[in-house]
Order: sequence, then C-alpha cells, then structure tokens
Amino acid sequence: AQSVTQPDIHITVSEGASLELRCNYSYGATPYLFWYVQSPGQGLQLLLKYFSGDTLVQGIKGFEAEFKRSQSSFNLRKPSVHWSDAAEYFCAVGQNSGNTPLVFGKGTRLSVIA
Amino acid sequence: NAGVTQTPKFQVLKTGQSMTLQCAQDMNHNSMYWYRQDPGMGLRLIYYSASEGTTDKGEVPNGYNVSRLNKREFSLRLESAAPSQTSVYFCASSEQQPQHFGDGTRLSIL
Repeated sequence: AQSVTQPDIHITVSEGASLELRCNYSYGATPYLFWYVQSPGQGLQLLLKYFSGDTLVQGIKGFEAEFKRSQSSFNLRKPSVHWSDAAEYFCAVGQNSGNTPLVFGKGTRLSVIA
Repeated sequence: NAGVTQTPKFQVLKTGQSMTLQCAQDMNHNSMYWYRQDPGMGLRLIYYSASEGTTDKGEVPNGYNVSRLNKREFSLRLESAAPSQTSVYFCASSEQQPQHFGDGTRLSIL
C-alpha cells in the first residue's frame, strides 16, 4: 500500500531564510509525486509535480523539489521564504497510470517570522 | 474559470440529520473524488469515481454514500450525521494527474 510520511508537523523559519520540507513515500513502482499548499480556510493549490525525467522539478512561487529514488524522498525547497508562504504543505503520491486517488501525508504547517 | 465548485461552503447539522454535499466540475474530467480533512490527519479518501457510472470506496467510506449524477457532478450524502463527521470536505477531479480541488465544505455536526 502507498503511504506518505511528512516527519515535521510544524516548522518555523525567518523571512528570507531557506526552507526544506521533508517527504518520504512508500510505493512499489515509480510514483507520481505532488506538493500542494493550503492557505488558512482555502482549498489545495498544486505547487509542483513529478512524473518522470529530470529529478529536480520547478514549481510555482519559487518552490522546487527533488525526487530521490534511493531515499524514497521528494523534499520541497525554497531558497528564500516570504511571509506569504506561511501555510500548510501536503505531499501526495499517486499511481503512475491513469486517474487514481492520491495518498496524502499529514501535512507540515509552516510559520514565517520577521 | 470555475474549475471545481462545492456547495455549500459551510453547514451546521444536528446529530441524525441528513445532508448532501454537492460538487460540480467544468473541466470535462472523467474522475472525481471526495476527501475529508481533519486536523493532523491530512486528507483521507472517502469515495471516488473513476468514470461516469462507477464509484469505489476509499479509506474512510463508513457513514457516507455517493452518486455520480453525470460526468460533471459527484455528490456526497450523509444519511444520519454523527459528530465524528465534523470535518472539512474536499471534492477533486482529474483527467490523468494532477487533481484539481474545490475550496471545501466546512461541516459541523452538533
């Protein structure tokens, strides 16, 4: 069965500092991997996705993520955090065939301080 | 630019009442999904519909029913609401990945 682990429940960073949110997945084959962001009271917005090919993927809002098969990881990074990045971030995994449901991690809440 | 539309946005029910959450998408997607979000639990799949005319249970289907009314619409019904069903409910749709999400329905059961 697929599963996703986000080890950090809550992270606080200073504005302008770099950010890395961790995601580890369990899946038998090459998965489809996603990062979504959720601002308070809002729905989920897709930040980036990995299907195949280049293991470093670029997303919106200056985010990037790197797929590391050997570590079963798909960590999200941003070089310089802005106050508007404060939100909850979800990593998700899906099967690499057609339309299948996603399995989500429990989320990491990001707080940004001045 | 509607995407996935969920109604209502907020609802308060009493234990034992019934309720149908509505979801419609205008992207001509074949697949639709219902998730619930609870604090510290992420999103968990309730039911999904891979295509019009089919539905399948997800991780937490108990207490819910679904109807794929047509390609656009996928409704979630609570026949007898329980306090444990207090949650935020998200509908999503996809045609291949990724999934597109609605803004959610915040449901409280008293």
